[in-house]
Amino acid sequence: EVQLVESGGGLIQPGESLRLSCAASGLSVSSNYMNWVRQAPGKGLEWVSIFYSGGNTYYADSVKGRFTISRDNSNNTLYLQMNSLRAEDTAIYYCAAQSSGWYGEPLDIWGQGTMVTVSS
Amino acid sequence: QSVLTQPPSVSGAPGQRVTISCTGSSSNIGAQYAVHWYQHLPGTAPKLLIFENIHRPSGVPDRFSGSKSGISASLAISGLQSEDEADYYCQTYDSSLAGLIFGGGTKLTVL
Repeated sequence: EVQLVESGGGLIQPGESLRLSCAASGLSVSSNYMNWVRQAPGKGLEWVSIFYSGGNTYYADSVKGRFTISRDNSNNTLYLQMNSLRAEDTAIYYCAAQSSGWYGEPLDIWGQGTMVTVSS
Repeated sequence: QSVLTQPPSVSGAPGQRVTISCTGSSSNIGAQYAVHWYQHLPGTAPKLLIFENIHRPSGVPDRFSGSKSGISASLAISGLQSEDEADYYCQTYDSSLAGLIFGGGTKLTVL
């Protein structure tokens, strides 16, 4: 069964850092286009970052310079390092894969999400 | 404010047909990038409903259909059922932003 399982969320103070993990099974994080998508309370879905199978990475302007996406091929896990966190980063963070292998293709595999709350 | 514009809400009675529009620009939908649609229920992962403008993944009822023309796309839901109550999002790629983009989402209410 293809599955993505996020972890690492929690309550954190503004300005601090947090690392989210997305453990994949049934698919390879190195062979797929892997993404982070978030949903703030009462808001819509917002794309955060993408890791191309070839190694390129891209970010939404709202997180550029503060968040870093990475992957561990041996552990088949995707990460999101979040630094200088702000209250507006409070959201459910989803890991999602484009298994067709291109950024124009749909996000067809999703995890259940992990909640990040940034508050003092 | 989202790069893709959707109506905040739509509603219909059981059995009726509703459509949800998604309007973009020349750097996304107008640039021939495919539009995908997702159904999202609170507390669950978004579910792919329509991919590449018109195609349904296996298991999605044919009551759901998609279309695309110019800088806009639409999702139609016919034979409305109570379980269709959810938030619906369109999504594509934007070449100017070099990233994926979502519409603001549309809340469907079945009266």
